Amino acid sequence: AQTVTQSQPEMSVQEAETVTLSCTYDTSESDYYLFWYKQPPSRQMILVIRQEAYKQQNATENRFSVNFQKAAKSFSLKISDSQLGDAAMYFCAYRSDNAGNMLTFGGGTRLMVKP
Amino acid sequence: GAGVSQTPSNKVTEKGKYVELRCDPISGHTALYWYRQSLGQGPEFLIYFQGTGAADDSGLPNDRFFAVRPEGSVSTLKIQRTERGDSAVYLCASSLTGSTSNTGELFFGEGSRLTVL
Repeated sequence: AQTVTQSQPEMSVQEAETVTLSCTYDTSESDYYLFWYKQPPSRQMILVIRQEAYKQQNATENRFSVNFQKAAKSFSLKISDSQLGDAAMYFCAYRSDNAGNMLTFGGGTRLMVKP
Repeated sequence: GAGVSQTPSNKVTEKGKYVELRCDPISGHTALYWYRQSLGQGPEFLIYFQGTGAADDSGLPNDRFFAVRPEGSVSTLKIQRTERGDSAVYLCASSLTGSTSNTGELFFGEGSRLTVL
């Protein structure tokens, strides 16, 4: 079974600065997808960025980018020019290539943004 | 609808009672998922529907939990003889297909917070 670990329960960043959230995972599969989701107080999980394991190029979505290290099974999220609205819980998630769209989530990192 | 809708938003019940939680997915989405998120943790998979049938119910913790999706749209998660340990946020998600293609993005609702006293 796959596991996803987020070792930082809380992170803090100054507005306009850059922060990196860590995620590691364990799998024996070679094809899979990785995701970062944001969960604000509304509880709705919002997709931030996704990465296909077969792609070497790191995914980027505006201020959000990932550092995907397949051999190390590491998938960190970098948020540039942090904004107050970025404050939320962030969850890393894994999806197998052969198990429907079911996601395995990490325990989450709470990001606080200081004005 | 425009998004995944879940009702009730909050439910408080007493130990031993029966509860139903409802999920109305995005129109046209064939795949529907239930997750449970305990306080301070990430969501955990419960059950996955493809159309009307449960394609995978391996995440249901015990036989007190049951879910249906009779017409392939709205789903109801049913919990019998509730226990204090069932207190959590129950999240529902839907996707256009259940395939593993990249287009199978999950869209989540805002969850139902269940509190068992």
